[in-house]
Amino acid sequence: DQQVKQNSPSLSVQEGRISILNCDYTNSMFDYFLWYKKYPAEGPTFLISISSIKDKNEDGRFTVFLNKSAKHLSLHIVPSQPGDSAVYFCAASPSETYKYIFGTGTRLKVLA
Amino acid sequence: DGGITQSPKYLFRKEGQNVTLSCEQNLNHDAMYWYRQDPGQGLRLIYYSQIVNDFQKGDIAEGYSVSREKKESFPLTVTSAQKNPTAFYLCASRGGVSYGYTFGSGTRLTVV
Repeated sequence: DQQVKQNSPSLSVQEGRISILNCDYTNSMFDYFLWYKKYPAEGPTFLISISSIKDKNEDGRFTVFLNKSAKHLSLHIVPSQPGDSAVYFCAASPSETYKYIFGTGTRLKVLA
Repeated sequence: DGGITQSPKYLFRKEGQNVTLSCEQNLNHDAMYWYRQDPGQGLRLIYYSQIVNDFQKGDIAEGYSVSREKKESFPLTVTSAQKNPTAFYLCASRGGVSYGYTFGSGTRLTVV
């Protein structure tokens, strides 16, 4: 039973346009949410986080939106750049346990 | 420069052998984690440790063992009881005010 789902295995976007990566979760106890970026044969790199007390967090080109009632979060990348091409994982954890459950990832390809 | 070091980057194991994957961090983080990544799947938690001399099983602990004798080190042993050990293994740590993980660069284990 997957508690964190990324239903789109892949996404292609033109350079300069917006990339929107989606993530759904089932456990209402999840309070902390993370997005990671991963290149092949490397460890994931932290991108951005959000806690359940917020519905939006922004860091440069990256914005994460959280809709608690829908149990949905999304990562927006604007503008998308070729270097953003990677696999993106969302992760969620119940409050204060920090035991993150990861989605299966979305492979983003930004076309030049 | 603080970070997490995983070694070796590539590891080959014969069937029936135990192997140990190294994970060392100099971030002064209390918590450390081992995840496994398989193609098309998210990261799955094997074991985690919140403090020295204490660790708990994650979702897929069967066939694995760990120790946490020092704050800096959290080695993972893949035993011969693990039926499908070929995977990419990731070590992570968490500490301070951050509620996200810092990941190592991973070890790719292949059974030959």
